[in-house]
Amino acid sequence: GQNIDQPTEMTATEGAIVQINCTYQTSGFNGLFWYQQHAGEAPTFLSYNVLDGLEEKGRFSSFLSRSKGYSYLLLKELQMKDSASYLCAVKDDSWGKFQFGAGTQVVVTP
Amino acid sequence: DADVTQTPRNRITKTGKRIMLECSQTKGHDRMYWYRQDPGLGLRLIYYSFDVKDINKGEISDGYSVSRQAQAKFSLSLESAIPNQTALYFCATSASASNNEQFFGPGTRLTVL
Repeated sequence: GQNIDQPTEMTATEGAIVQINCTYQTSGFNGLFWYQQHAGEAPTFLSYNVLDGLEEKGRFSSFLSRSKGYSYLLLKELQMKDSASYLCAVKDDSWGKFQFGAGTQVVVTP
Repeated sequence: DADVTQTPRNRITKTGKRIMLECSQTKGHDRMYWYRQDPGLGLRLIYYSFDVKDINKGEISDGYSVSRQAQAKFSLSLESAIPNQTALYFCATSASASNNEQFFGPGTRLTVL
């Protein structure tokens, strides 16, 4: 079956670093995406990985290991506005559709 | 102007009523999707369409139907709404290339009493 797992919630202090892990088992793989979603709003794209390794984009970095079915999103220098849900999604290359994890709620405290 | 729009943004209806949620996009994307989001369950795919003549069921299509009236328009219908269809519904679009992310509309909050 298809499965994407990520922790339900993480709490961190302003200025700190948080790492959100995502493990997946899907029938196909054509890339892994991370989205940010503030409460009541639409998800917005953060990062994309299709090859193994680290992709860095400002304060956010994302890592992929295809052999392990594993990715993480690293948020550095946390700010209060980073409090949101972070969604891990895998693009299934059989149909070009996406499978989403349930999301990780990150709470940033002063 | 928003690239992906949804109407209505909020709707309260009664059990048994027919409801249509509409989605329009100005991004020129071929692919359009409908998801529902429930607390603790994440986004679940209802239907998706890769072009005007292509409609595919997602993981939770029972009780829903869709229509792709044009490249830019993709509507979702609940023929006879029931309370467990109360959720936040998102429309999304993407281009055909493999590295293209999805762009989401603002969502429709639907409550079925």
